[in-house]
Amino acid sequence: AQSVTQPDARVTVSEGASLQLRCKYSYSGTPYLFWYVQYPRQGLQLLLKYYSGDPVVQGVNGFEAEFSKSNSSFHLRKASVHWSDSAVYFCVLSVNNNNAPRFGAGTKLSVKP
Amino acid sequence: EAAVTQSPRNKVAVTGGKVTLSCNQTNNHNNMYWYRQDTGHGLRLIHYSYGAGSTEKGDIPDGYKASRPSQENFSLILELATPSQTSVYFCASGDLGGRGEQYFGPGTRLTVL
Repeated sequence: AQSVTQPDARVTVSEGASLQLRCKYSYSGTPYLFWYVQYPRQGLQLLLKYYSGDPVVQGVNGFEAEFSKSNSSFHLRKASVHWSDSAVYFCVLSVNNNNAPRFGAGTKLSVKP
Repeated sequence: EAAVTQSPRNKVAVTGGKVTLSCNQTNNHNNMYWYRQDTGHGLRLIHYSYGAGSTEKGDIPDGYKASRPSQENFSLILELATPSQTSVYFCASGDLGGRGEQYFGPGTRLTVL
């Protein structure tokens, strides 16, 4: 069965620091991977997606993620976080036609001023 | 721009009552999804649909029904609401047979007393 694990339920960093949010997936075939962000009391918005090709994908607001097939990972990174990045981040795996996407449990990011 | 709307945005219901949550999308996407979000559980899939007339069970379908009368509309029905169904419900649409990104509505906050 396909699954996604986000091992860190909460992450706290200082403003201006670098960030990595971890995501591990379980699937033997070709994954389609996404990161979404949820700001307080809002729906989810797409940050970035990976289908194929260059393993490093760029997203909005300076976020990027790196796909690693050997590690079954899709970690999210940002070089310098801003207080407005405080939100919950979800890693999502899709596998093939008409199978519903699998969500990680989410990582709540708090950025200290 | 892709748009998913939900109604009502907030709902208070009584135990044993019937509740209908509605979702409308203007993206012309084939796939639509209903999730609930509870603290500590991330997003959990309740029902989804491949197109008008189809509904599929997700991970936690018990106590819920779904209806997809048209491409644009997807409803979630709680025939006999219980306090355990107090949650925030999100609707989403997506295409590419489930491999594409999802577009989320703003959520419905349901309280069952």
